[in-house]
Amino acid sequence: GAGVSQSPSNKVTEKGKDVELRCDPISGHTALYWYRQSLGQGLEFLIYFQGNSAPDKSGLPSDRFSAERTGGSVSTLTIQRTQQEDSAVYLCASSPLHVSTANTIYFGEGSWLTVV
Amino acid sequence: AQRVTQPEKLLSVFKGAPVELKCNYSYSGSPELFWYVQYSRQRLQLLLRHISRESIKGFTADLNKGETSFHLKKPFAQEEDSAMYYCALSGRGSQGNLIFGKGTKLSVKP
Repeated sequence: GAGVSQSPSNKVTEKGKDVELRCDPISGHTALYWYRQSLGQGLEFLIYFQGNSAPDKSGLPSDRFSAERTGGSVSTLTIQRTQQEDSAVYLCASSPLHVSTANTIYFGEGSWLTVV
Repeated sequence: AQRVTQPEKLLSVFKGAPVELKCNYSYSGSPELFWYVQYSRQRLQLLLRHISRESIKGFTADLNKGETSFHLKKPFAQEEDSAMYYCALSGRGSQGNLIFGKGTKLSVKP
């Protein structure tokens, strides 16, 4: 596709349920990022994948959060036993290589998660 | 530790007035700094990067290593500049992780 694609665009789930959010990066991009955007918290880094390297998971807020990237392309962010504080926009981004002077990170439109 | 601080949550100016969005950072090495912008109902996108020394849509930003700042400036604000602005940092030679500030909402009034 022309840009980073995320699904679902909107998700309402009950507290305690598990959710999966999907990201299709731009074809050929080796780096993939997940961020969480919420009011008052700005953009919170969650996890970063770069090629075949071990992902940087330092931003995951708890062990209820996990992410995979299969075949170096599509990524899935999973939130188990969702809580109301998990309500936010989850943004995915990709770039051709790590962020540098030559490359730019491209964002998807986000997945709006509401936990009720 | 890497950290980006944007002290203002909201900045409101009148059209034609100068605008400065503040950004301070904390990083032990040589950082690369960026400004990203998100207009209403649009995706977050790159506005400019410090290394390019570019002016985009009339905006400029100078990296001041002494003050560890990367403030975004525009001499004459336009209504279409109203948006959410995020300052971001990436460490040179790092794996490329990009850390963002909490953002500043710029409102330009007619």
